[in-house]
Amino acid sequence: EAGVAQSPRYKIIEKRQSVAFWCNPISGHATLYWYQQILGQGPKLLIQFQNNGVVDDSQLPKDRFSAERLKGVDSTLKIQPAKLEDSAVYLCASSSRGGNTEAFFGQGTRLTVV
Amino acid sequence: DAKTTQPNSMESNEEEPVHLPCNHSTISGTDYIHWYRQLPSQGPEYVIHGLTSNVNNRMASLAIAEDRKSSTLILHRATLRDAAVYYCILRTYPLIYNQGGKLIFGQGTELSVKP
Repeated sequence: EAGVAQSPRYKIIEKRQSVAFWCNPISGHATLYWYQQILGQGPKLLIQFQNNGVVDDSQLPKDRFSAERLKGVDSTLKIQPAKLEDSAVYLCASSSRGGNTEAFFGQGTRLTVV
Repeated sequence: DAKTTQPNSMESNEEEPVHLPCNHSTISGTDYIHWYRQLPSQGPEYVIHGLTSNVNNRMASLAIAEDRKSSTLILHRATLRDAAVYYCILRTYPLIYNQGGKLIFGQGTELSVKP
């Protein structure tokens, strides 16, 4: 079974620039999560999708962050404009339906804002 | 969201058992107890989960207290490859079946394993 694919693995941008991350979940997984992990902290949930609908985006800074999951498969997370404090690893995870299931994580995208 | 409390760090010797505790006194009846671990420079990986009964798999065992307010992840023989941050998470079984439950991480326990 192929895992969760994320790209790019690394990205360096200047503040005020925009950036986009891509995630391809495991085939058939209806639930998709995006997390932000700042160095030394646990992952922070940014947004949760069920198919192509948003279940929870309460922690997403909507003035600069946006996410979409067209057709309920791939997803993109965008930051525009980026700030220095956005430097972090952005993780994507997916799971099948229900709470009694395991989630699978990608390797993440390490973003550095200079 | 239900909260878990874990020690910040623990140490173990190689080949010895490790018991990683987790307190979750506000757990509700629909919360599953999940454990994930994160090796350096990798995404988190699933370890084990349970609801009420103790669970075993090839990676670890999960012991759940009778009142479900605490649990312990047991690694039977620690190896150097088990050095990681271990997260205890309460994953709510959603009221709407076709929604995956929330997966909210805390700070976790950083486990170091000495040769």
